Amino acid sequence: AQSVTQLDSQVPVFEEAPVELRCNYSSSVSVYLFWYVQYPNQGLQLLLKYLSGSTLVKGINGFEAEFNKSQTSFHLRKPSVHISDTAEYFCAVEGGATNKLIFGTGTLLAVQP
Amino acid sequence: DGGITQSPKYLFRKEGQNVTLSCEQNLNHDAMYWYRQDPGQGLRLIYYSQIVNDFQKGDIAEGYSVSREKKESFPLTVTSAQKNPTAFYLCAEGKNSPLHFGNGTRLTVT
Repeated sequence: AQSVTQLDSQVPVFEEAPVELRCNYSSSVSVYLFWYVQYPNQGLQLLLKYLSGSTLVKGINGFEAEFNKSQTSFHLRKPSVHISDTAEYFCAVEGGATNKLIFGTGTLLAVQP
Repeated sequence: DGGITQSPKYLFRKEGQNVTLSCEQNLNHDAMYWYRQDPGQGLRLIYYSQIVNDFQKGDIAEGYSVSREKKESFPLTVTSAQKNPTAFYLCAEGKNSPLHFGNGTRLTVT
């Protein structure tokens, strides 16, 4: 069975500073990995996904993530954040035959001026 | 919305009543999903359907029911058997896995 751990429930950061949101997963099979963003009272929007190939994945809004198989991690990064990046970010893993996504508990990114 | 529409946005019901949440998609994808979101718990899968007239229980299906009579529609009924129905409900669709989410329905049961 797959699982996802987002250790940081909240990450405060100043505007224009870099940020890393951590995600670790466990799985006995090859996985697909996803990051979603959720703004208040809205649904989730896909930021980026890793299916295969290059381990560095670029997404929307200047975000990128690196798949590290040996460390079973898929951390999300942005070199310079904006106030508008304030939102909740969810990491998710899919693997096996069911095509079900398993989500982490989310990390609230709070960007301060 | 990525072509997926949930309605209504807010819903209020009295305890003991069944209530149905609507989810419609126009992206012609086979797979549709219902998730429940509670503060601090992320998203938990209620039901999913990978083809018309077929659906599977997710991790927290008790107290819920679904139907998939048409490809574009996947309504969720929250029954009176659901012990703690107040939550934010999200519908999603995708070719193989959830790629597009609706804007959610916030259900409050008192």
